[in-house]
Amino acid sequence: DAKTTQPPSMDCAEGRAANLPCNHSTISGNEYVYWYRQIHSQGPQYIIHGLKNNETNEMASLIITEDRKSSTLILPHATLRDTAVYYCIVRARNSGYALNFGKGTSLLVTP
Amino acid sequence: ETGVTQTPRHLVMGMTNKKSLKCEQHLGHNAMYWYKQSAKKPLELMFVYSLEERVENNSVPSRFSPECPNSSHLFLHLHTLQPEDSALYLCASSQVRDETQYFGPGTRLLVL
Repeated sequence: DAKTTQPPSMDCAEGRAANLPCNHSTISGNEYVYWYRQIHSQGPQYIIHGLKNNETNEMASLIITEDRKSSTLILPHATLRDTAVYYCIVRARNSGYALNFGKGTSLLVTP
Repeated sequence: ETGVTQTPRHLVMGMTNKKSLKCEQHLGHNAMYWYKQSAKKPLELMFVYSLEERVENNSVPSRFSPECPNSSHLFLHLHTLQPEDSALYLCASSQVRDETQYFGPGTRLLVL
């Protein structure tokens, strides 16, 4: 799986958009970008994933650059309950079972 | 709720005890996973069951014994654990060969 780089921490004011970046400059053509988050002491929560095109669901939007070397997860209106560690994972289908979560970005949403 | 439940949510056990963790998924998935998350460490994959057959066992000590009686249920039997086994144990499920795994809330285990 391609290696990812995320900032260790970020702050965001409640109600504002939270933009979480992820660099994956060695991504291969068949590798997807997945985002999960983990609220303290809870199980990881799947957020969104994509291959090339931008994706949006009820939780977030995923913007992938044209060269696919980086992506941004956007939480359009952050709430206090979005405070969590966010993980960007790059992996190909059929590449094994383990999800390599890395260290992620600790997002703090403040009132 | 993700459709994956785990019981108990918290467990304290002595090193000579035997206990079991239970996981149930209500998503119609056919692959189930056990992960371990120790403090300050990333998730470690322990076991994978695909179509009720164990397909991965990542050098986990024999004091951890998984069981998958059907595609909806997964157990982790624990015996003679060590204090360093204290961790958050997470269950996940997915469709076979679909990379999207859905996690349960975890069982926080403390071994005294």
